Amino acid sequence: KQEVTQIPAALSVPEGENLVLNCSFTDSAIYNLQWFRQDPGKGLTSLLLIQSSQREQTSGRLNASLDKSSGRSTLYIAASQPGDSATYLCAVSRSGGSNYKLTFGKGTLLTVNP
Amino acid sequence: DTEVTQTPKHLVMGMTNKKSLKCEQHMGHRAMYWYKQKAKKPPELMFVYSYEKLSINESVPSRFSPECPNSSLLNLHLHALQPEDSALYLCASSHQGGAVQFFGPGTRLTVL
Repeated sequence: KQEVTQIPAALSVPEGENLVLNCSFTDSAIYNLQWFRQDPGKGLTSLLLIQSSQREQTSGRLNASLDKSSGRSTLYIAASQPGDSATYLCAVSRSGGSNYKLTFGKGTLLTVNP
Repeated sequence: DTEVTQTPKHLVMGMTNKKSLKCEQHMGHRAMYWYKQKAKKPPELMFVYSYEKLSINESVPSRFSPECPNSSLLNLHLHALQPEDSALYLCASSHQGGAVQFFGPGTRLTVL
């Protein structure tokens, strides 16, 4: 059974700092990995999707890396802003069968202080 | 239009009520999903529809009944719910399995 762990559970940083969020998964047979952002009481917003054959994806100030063999992904946020404050969720889909199902980590609650 | 819409935004119902949640997307996606999310927990998959057919049912109690009337609409019919069913119900869609999932804003359900 796939298990996804995110560290740290919460992170508080001053504005302008670069930061890294971590995600690990137990079964390396993944189809892809997605990073989402969720604001309180809202739906999820997809940030980046990395296919299992890829090493990284970039979008603006965000960079996500994937090391499938070691079961790890990182989300790097450059020059953090107060508007980045949210919960960040990592999710993986399974390969070799139904890849509809996402297994989520519990998330990292990020607070960026002005 | 890259949006998934959900109605209503909030719903309060008694344990004997029957209500429905609605979800709509116009992105031409052929996979649609229902998730349940409790406070401070990640979303849990309930159902997946692929090409308007139920593809995955994650052993959800029968008091939750999904329906996919067409490729753009997804409903979740609720009957005889329990207070522990109170949660944020999220709908999502994707082009196909394994593609990026686009989420709606959710329906906040309270069962009294």
